[in-house]
Formats: sequence, structure tokens, C-alpha cells
Amino acid sequence: DVVLTQTPVAQPVTLGDQASISCRSSQSLVHSNGNTYLEWYLQKPGQSPQLLIYKVSNRFSGVPDRFIGSGSGSDFTLKISRVEPEDLGVYYCFQATHDPFTFGSGTKLEIK
Amino acid sequence: EVQLQQSGPEVGRPGSSVKISCKASGYTFTDYVMNWVKQSPGQGLEWIGWIDPEYGSTDYAEKFKKKATLTADTSSSTAYIQLSSLTSEDTATYFCARSGAAPFAYWGQGTLVTVSS
Repeated sequence: DVVLTQTPVAQPVTLGDQASISCRSSQSLVHSNGNTYLEWYLQKPGQSPQLLIYKVSNRFSGVPDRFIGSGSGSDFTLKISRVEPEDLGVYYCFQATHDPFTFGSGTKLEIK
Repeated sequence: EVQLQQSGPEVGRPGSSVKISCKASGYTFTDYVMNWVKQSPGQGLEWIGWIDPEYGSTDYAEKFKKKATLTADTSSSTAYIQLSSLTSEDTATYFCARSGAAPFAYWGQGTLVTVSS
């Protein structure tokens, strides 16, 4: 199975600052069709997860442009600029290139 | 508006089975795959599997092949997951999630399953 390693485990931030989360895969996430199925989800406390980014860098409907996904192959990053209180929670990367689909272990974005 | 309404919390005895529902609205049920995700208490997320409601075809993560059974009723636009031979390891919140731009574009609110004697 593909292992997604997220760092850091916790990211203390000051509101208004930038945060960055890394997601590294145990193998390339480039599908045979040329797409890279790497996504980012945010789970706010007590809520269901919500989709932020799909296929590495595409923001889902309604997601602010403060969220920027990047990367290729097996190395990916989510950057959140100008962190707001509503951004706090646990971020998960996820891959749907290889079966079984797998999640990273999560990064908790918290107030410093 | 896409909505996924899951059934309420369940308590199951060890060795028994439970069945959770996920009623879809706001779109054509057979047009999108439905996934299921497990979240153990205080833990991360695990993909269980998906079902294509139009054809009834399914795919499961190996770990869940003997634990979960996914079905769908197109007449009521409802997807189901049945968990069998319950153990304490099955105590978790289970989410349905509809595909779209990504496998989990839309999520249900989650259903807590507690295994207890």
C-alpha cells in the first residue's frame, strides 16, 4: 500500500501568518492516465472532513485562494497564506492513484 | 444542493452486525460513486471502499473485505454499509462521501458505531 507521510504532525501558527504542510508518498502518484490524484482535506473539530484541493493544485468550489497546493511525483505541499481562525483543524493528504486509496496521518494546524 | 444524510448512532454487541444508511439528495444518485471512510476515536481516516450505484460494482480495501459490505438502493437513493462480526476495533465514526472532482467531494455527517456488550 502507498504510505503518505505528512509533516509536521502539528503546526503552531500565528493568525495572519503562512503555514506549510508537506506530504511525501512512498511511490509516485502519477497515474497511468497522466493525472496525479493527490488531494487535501480539512477536518475542523467536530465536523466531517471537507475537500480543499484535488489533483495536486485544483481548489474545490468555494475554497479561498489562500489555499495553494503544489508538487509532483511523490512530493507535495499545501500552503495556507494569511491563516484565519476558520482554517484551524486537521489537514489530511490523500491519494487515489493506487488501490487501495490511502490517507496521510494528518497535520494539526493550531494557534501558537 | 448535494446532501448526504446518514442514519443515527448504533450500538452493536460483539459478534453482531450493524447496517448504516446514507440517503442522497440534490443529484442523480446513479451518476456518482459513493465511498465509505472510517475514523476510529481520536484517529485518522481510512478508506473502506466504494460502490457504483448504477451497476452495483464495488471495490474494497483489503483490510475491510471481510468486514464491510456495501450496497445501494437506487429506488430510494440510499447507500448502505453493513459491518459484520463486530469487535471493539470497529468502534468508530463511519462517513459516506460522494465522488465528484475527487473521490470525497461531498460528505455525510458521520455515524458513530459503538461496539459494547
